[in-house]
Amino acid sequence: GAVVSQHPSRVICKSGTSVKIECRSLDFQATTMFWYRQFPKQSLMLMATSNEGSKATYEQGVEKDKFLINHASLTLSTLTVTSAHPEDSSFYICSAREQGRANYGYTFGSGTRLTVV
Amino acid sequence: AQKVTQAQTEISVVEKEDVTLDCVYETRDTTYYLFWYKQPPSGELVFLIRRNSFDEQNEISGRYSWNFQKSTSSFNFTITASQVVDSAVYFCALKGNAGKSTFGDGTTLTVKP
Repeated sequence: GAVVSQHPSRVICKSGTSVKIECRSLDFQATTMFWYRQFPKQSLMLMATSNEGSKATYEQGVEKDKFLINHASLTLSTLTVTSAHPEDSSFYICSAREQGRANYGYTFGSGTRLTVV
Repeated sequence: AQKVTQAQTEISVVEKEDVTLDCVYETRDTTYYLFWYKQPPSGELVFLIRRNSFDEQNEISGRYSWNFQKSTSSFNFTITASQVVDSAVYFCALKGNAGKSTFGDGTTLTVKP
């Protein structure tokens, strides 16, 4: 079945530094990937839609200059949290849909727990 | 706009009890998909089921069953003979025509031995 690899699974960084999270579809091509954020004991909030070869589409209230998304290939999307602050600490999850299977379910990565100290 | 409501924030049952997790949704789309996901303490989301809005047949998979009722905009999830390993947060989600998924707030299920 479709597998999405997300790396790293956990990261601790100092305030003011940048962190890159990778989302990779291992056995399928994904023209579209989604990035979610989950605060403790809360639901998933869609942050942005990552489109291969074009700019990401950000949800209202998400700072695109802070959360940089790059979808350079059909198997890789990256989310970079720039100048991270403690309030950026959260669980970030990506999901992807196999190209050509528009009406099927999405596969989720295992998530990245970011802690900014 | 689309919305998913999981009114039960937390449910606690004793092992072997049956438990139903409620999900009510709102959407203006005529075609949509409904999903249930499980999120164990490890955090990883596990896909459980996808249901097309045109398919109202109920589905059973082992101890899991789903009741989709378009008339009440509900897509409830029942676990029969619950087990401790079922303890997790369960999310109901809706995907509309635009392709974006909206999640409910989740229901935390605790199954006690």
